[in-house]
Amino acid sequence: QKEVEQNSGPLSVPEGAIASLNCTYSDRVSQSFFWYRQYSGKSPELIMSIYSNGDKEDGRFTAQLNKASQYVSLLIRDSQPSDSATYLCAVRGGYSSASKIIFGSGTRLSIRP
Amino acid sequence: GAVVSQHPSWVICKSGTSVKIECRSLDFQATTMFWYRQFPKQSLMLMATSNEGSKATYEQGVEKDKFLINHASLTLSTLTVTSAHPEDSSFYICSARGGPSYEQYFGPGTRLTVT
Repeated sequence: QKEVEQNSGPLSVPEGAIASLNCTYSDRVSQSFFWYRQYSGKSPELIMSIYSNGDKEDGRFTAQLNKASQYVSLLIRDSQPSDSATYLCAVRGGYSSASKIIFGSGTRLSIRP
Repeated sequence: GAVVSQHPSWVICKSGTSVKIECRSLDFQATTMFWYRQFPKQSLMLMATSNEGSKATYEQGVEKDKFLINHASLTLSTLTVTSAHPEDSSFYICSARGGPSYEQYFGPGTRLTVT
């Protein structure tokens, strides 16, 4: 079992709709969770971080965390063509803030006009 | 947000030569820097972790004598690909971690082509 699992996609969503990206992780003691966006040929960009159960909203993005289910999600409202990218879920394992971040393999999102 | 730079952004070199890539954290002190490699349409692969002033820790399968990492200061780490071969052609990305939240920020990447 991979430490951080994501559906590779592609996930196709019409413009203006809500895109929902999901991620599960295996290390129960993980404390920090991140979503990165990576455009083709570019390096990843941090878009959201979440540390406690519940929802965290930032503009059109909402991250959701459920530690009991070991599940993290990212919702993108009012999807735009510019949101088309690969989204990487990342989890910091262990209790220490200095622990290594483990990345999922990414979900490719395509917003169709 | 925090800014990480990489230089060069792209490089073409001949087989057998060495290439050095620099990674700098511009507005924060990075206690730890990471080097990743990414082949086309594949996910990030962590190569090594380096802490300022100490030897890098390499991931399994990564040759430490081929990929030399130096983390000389809290704002600079370098990766040297020695005796490069065409199969080393890839997108090399550094990442720096620091600040109160220990968040990790990526540099823009260096595209290496070995001919």
